[in-house]
Amino acid sequence: EAQVTQNPRYLITVTGKKLTVTCSQNMNHEYMSWYRQDPGLGLRQIYYSMNVEVTDKGDVPEGYKVSRKEKRNFPLILESPSPNQTSLYFCASRDRGTEKLFFGSGTQLSVL
Amino acid sequence: EDKVVQSPLSLVVHEGDTVTLNCSYEVTNFRSLLWYKQEKKAPTFLFMLTSSGIEKKSGRLSSILDKKELFSILNITATQTGDSAVYLCAVTRNSGGSNYKLTFGKGTLLTVNP
Repeated sequence: EAQVTQNPRYLITVTGKKLTVTCSQNMNHEYMSWYRQDPGLGLRQIYYSMNVEVTDKGDVPEGYKVSRKEKRNFPLILESPSPNQTSLYFCASRDRGTEKLFFGSGTQLSVL
Repeated sequence: EDKVVQSPLSLVVHEGDTVTLNCSYEVTNFRSLLWYKQEKKAPTFLFMLTSSGIEKKSGRLSSILDKKELFSILNITATQTGDSAVYLCAVTRNSGGSNYKLTFGKGTLLTVNP
């Protein structure tokens, strides 16, 4: 089944403790992206990757890192999480030449 | 800066009603407009519109785009409780190459009561 898989689905952590949210897609998509969704603010792009080893900042990149060493994987790294990074995070991917994004199931992160 | 405004923010209807959700936008070098349905977590794709006046249909859902007036509507007829969800509108613009950046609206929360 074609899908975008994120892990974990839920995560509670404390300020300053480094964490990684994994994302993997099995559709051979070149483009991958991370979004956060907050009440009243909608979906906002954090980082995106056009292909392996090619990443760029989205609208709200501060406090986040990404890497794209393999085509299928695009982890999101929070080196020193803070409470304002409490949010619902989505990984998404799409094929080249189309705007249609496929989303993962989301990761609800709480930073205490 | 690209802007997408959805209205209403929330809507409560009874099963069987027809609803119209609105999406207006301001974007430089418009490419397309997409509608997504978000039930529990992951948004799922509904429609993509690129041309004015051509209605897209899928069962009880339909959508149309007006590129002159810069808006789109999503219609749902004979609503069912399973239609309860947040409906998201997003626009893309040509940014060079295939980097079609999506800008999302804040969504419309639709609640369909039995």
